Amino acid sequence: GEEVAQTPKHLVRGEGQKAKLYCAPIKGHSYVFWYQQVLKNEFKFLISFQNENVFDETGMPKERFSAKCLPNSPCSLEIQATKLEDSAVYFCASSQSSERGYEQYFGPGTRLTVT
Amino acid sequence: KQEVTQIPAALSVPEGENLVLNCSFTDSAIYNLQWFRQDPGKGLTSLLLIQSSQREQTSGRLNASLDKSSGRSTLYIAASQPGDSATYLCAPQDGTLTFGKGTMLLVSP
Repeated sequence: GEEVAQTPKHLVRGEGQKAKLYCAPIKGHSYVFWYQQVLKNEFKFLISFQNENVFDETGMPKERFSAKCLPNSPCSLEIQATKLEDSAVYFCASSQSSERGYEQYFGPGTRLTVT
Repeated sequence: KQEVTQIPAALSVPEGENLVLNCSFTDSAIYNLQWFRQDPGKGLTSLLLIQSSQREQTSGRLNASLDKSSGRSTLYIAASQPGDSATYLCAPQDGTLTFGKGTMLLVSP
């Protein structure tokens, strides 16, 4: 597609439940990025993929967060045993390249509310 | 670790004014810098991308400059309109984007 698609738009989970978010990058883009926006404007990089391979996972909380990008499937970000502090908007972005000159295009985000 | 500061945090101007939003970053080893706008409850819209070798980039009423060596970028908005009201975010890229906290702009009619 021509836009980054994210589903669902909103997700409500009780503390301790699992949450799974999906992202379909722009067709032809080989890089996918996940960002977390907590509070109003605090963006945090989580993880990036080059095709199905993890490219950079330096921002990823290791214990409860996992992500995958499998061939012919939307990428996914999964949070096991959600905590109140996981409440945030999760944005996915895609790019032709992670290197210079290539814009990252963002999806509309998934708002996760943990109660 | 890259740190990005945006000044001012909030700005309120009457329609028609020209304005400047400032962004500074601590690590000049970047590939490029993107400016985004975010409307309340919405995603990010990319406004401009300046590559590290460029000094300026223009799109319509928007002009962004980059001084990589001093770690600064500015976004100039000419003849502001109420539709420009949004939060503007600066994000230098070194493989991943690092965001500032944004400037919340309100343009009143």
